[in-house]
Amino acid sequence: DAGITQSPRYKITETGRQVTLMCHQTWSHSYMFWYRQDLGHGLRLIYYSAAADITDKGEVPDGYVVSRSKTENFPLTLESATRSQTSVYFCASSRGLAAYEQYFGPGTRLTVT
Amino acid sequence: GENVEQHPSTLSVQEGDSAVIKCTYSDSASNYFPWYKQELGKGPQLIIDIRSNVGEKKDQRIAVTLNKTAKHFSLHITETQPEDSAVYFCAASMDNDMRFGAGTRLTVKP
Repeated sequence: DAGITQSPRYKITETGRQVTLMCHQTWSHSYMFWYRQDLGHGLRLIYYSAAADITDKGEVPDGYVVSRSKTENFPLTLESATRSQTSVYFCASSRGLAAYEQYFGPGTRLTVT
Repeated sequence: GENVEQHPSTLSVQEGDSAVIKCTYSDSASNYFPWYKQELGKGPQLIIDIRSNVGEKKDQRIAVTLNKTAKHFSLHITETQPEDSAVYFCAASMDNDMRFGAGTRLTVKP
């Protein structure tokens, strides 16, 4: 199916565990993004990528790691999950960095206990 | 960096009435202002956007206005329908940075 998908859709993990959220897009967009959504904060950018093997920090990168070995995939890893990382995570893709429409995935709801 | 403030945080209107959501931004270099609609359990989806060389843009029942001097922009929805109920996000961006507002939960009562 064309579009942008995220997996898993829901995840519960314990403090200190490593967890990876997956994102896959079929449009061959150059840019991919990871956001977290928290009540009262809207969407905050964690990391973004301009192309394979090119990544850069966003507004709230601490505690997260990303990689992009293939254009279509952009996984987000929480190396040692903390309760403050409980959130809804959205992946997005776009033709450009900031002045272009971003296409969002359905989100992953992560709970850290 | 850019700072975007969005008001109100919640808005309830009667079906058929108009709804207005306002955003202000801090960086005068911002030049692209999109609005996203997020329905329950889904990711945000672009509904309209405006660039800094345009003051107003319309698409059927929705319109966006931009006042660059005052650094604010607004979303106007006319003849609201129950399916307009959702969370709406504004954003402001420059060449390499986009910031979102905190969102407005719009409820349209039938």
